[in-house]
Amino acid sequence: ETGVTQTPRHLVMGMTNKKSLKCEQHLGHNAMYWYKQSAKKPLELMFVYSLEERVENNSVPSRFSPECPNSSHLFLHLHTLQPEDSALYLCASSQWLAEETQYFGPGTRLLVL
Amino acid sequence: GENVEQHPSTLSVQEGDSAVIKCTYSDSASNYFPWYKQELGKRPQLIIDIRSNVGEKKDQRIAVTLNKTAKHFSLHITETQPEDSAVYFCAASIPEGDSWGKLQFGAGTQVVVTP
Repeated sequence: ETGVTQTPRHLVMGMTNKKSLKCEQHLGHNAMYWYKQSAKKPLELMFVYSLEERVENNSVPSRFSPECPNSSHLFLHLHTLQPEDSALYLCASSQWLAEETQYFGPGTRLLVL
Repeated sequence: GENVEQHPSTLSVQEGDSAVIKCTYSDSASNYFPWYKQELGKRPQLIIDIRSNVGEKKDQRIAVTLNKTAKHFSLHITETQPEDSAVYFCAASIPEGDSWGKLQFGAGTQVVVTP
């Protein structure tokens, strides 16, 4: 299971900290996604990138800032988060931005104190 | 926008019995319906998907059925085994623009298979 990797796997941060989540895919895909997974809730799509261009910003607060420097890497920059932002953040990729299989990374478990 | 409802939220079955999870969707234009399995502490993985031009698809012990008229689709697992214990998510594509589909996920079903 090394197609999509995420670092760090676990992160604890205070509300005033700045941190970044990293996602890397080794599948040659052209679309990448950030999802938020909270307990008992559906997976929430946050951002979508296709060929390094952001094509979706799903009403996500500005304290989350994505970056896609190339088609293999995706970052999520975090600053002044709130405790309710604690969740599992999943990265995914797919061959194209179309109705097809998305491959997920293992996620980053984030705790905001 | 698309809304996907998934039931039940938890399902406990005896090993060897069948499990059925149902999802309904609201956007009649959706035409791609994947199912993902997420074992405890692991990433979601696609187990089966179906497109709107097909009514049923089967892969060994797993099958998915789609009723476009009623806007619902179901996952069927036969001869359940302990390793089928996981959270299962359904999803429906949201057709927008030029044939690309954002996925709207259901809330998930926790399946527990007891020996």
